[in-house]
Amino acid sequence: GAVVSQHPSWVICKSGTSVKIECRSLDFQATTMFWYRQFPKQSLMLMATSNEGSKATYEQGVEKDKFLINHASLTLSTLTVTSAHPEDSSFYICSAPRAGGSSYEQYFGPGTRLTVT
Amino acid sequence: GDSVTQMEGPVTLSEEAFLTINCTYTATGYPSLFWYVQYPGEGLQLLLKATKADDKGSNKGFEATYRKETTSFHLEKGSVQVSDSAVYFCALRGRGSSNTGKLIFGQGTTLQVKP
Repeated sequence: GAVVSQHPSWVICKSGTSVKIECRSLDFQATTMFWYRQFPKQSLMLMATSNEGSKATYEQGVEKDKFLINHASLTLSTLTVTSAHPEDSSFYICSAPRAGGSSYEQYFGPGTRLTVT
Repeated sequence: GDSVTQMEGPVTLSEEAFLTINCTYTATGYPSLFWYVQYPGEGLQLLLKATKADDKGSNKGFEATYRKETTSFHLEKGSVQVSDSAVYFCALRGRGSSNTGKLIFGQGTTLQVKP
């Protein structure tokens, strides 16, 4: 079954409003989580690394004041899209590494479809 | 910087056909390589992986061999099924990254298998 959940699975908001997306690791703790953005028929673009108890690390070109990330606990990271615009419409995916034997495997959430009107 | 390039899709095959999806990479050192699959309406799932040169990852009839000399990690399956229809992503994790480090993805290849 799913080990990483996202909520909501889809959301429609008006331009200028803010939207919060949650990412939860379900039966394991994750000190690090990753947020990706996926455009139609394109690859996943890493936006930022969410670190529990410290500031997120943003990839070059990603506006940290627009995409606020909070890793409040070992099982929850949130991405808030502030003052959303239509160009922010996209599919947002989170992932979390989970230990398995001697290595880690990235588990991905099912994604959140954001549409800004 | 590190990057991954996949063959463009969509790839359309008949059931039981042989599948190859090409993937090449650029990275410093020796990255770990992965194939992920995304079924319609679902999140990405790890399909297989290889962590060092000449390793072969395999799962569900899919195989990929880490070729350092050609910097490639091509995905193959001898006989595809309709249920294999999905989007396939090649990805790498840099050697300098920890085991929990970020992944760099290719652009994805859509596979459609017809009965």
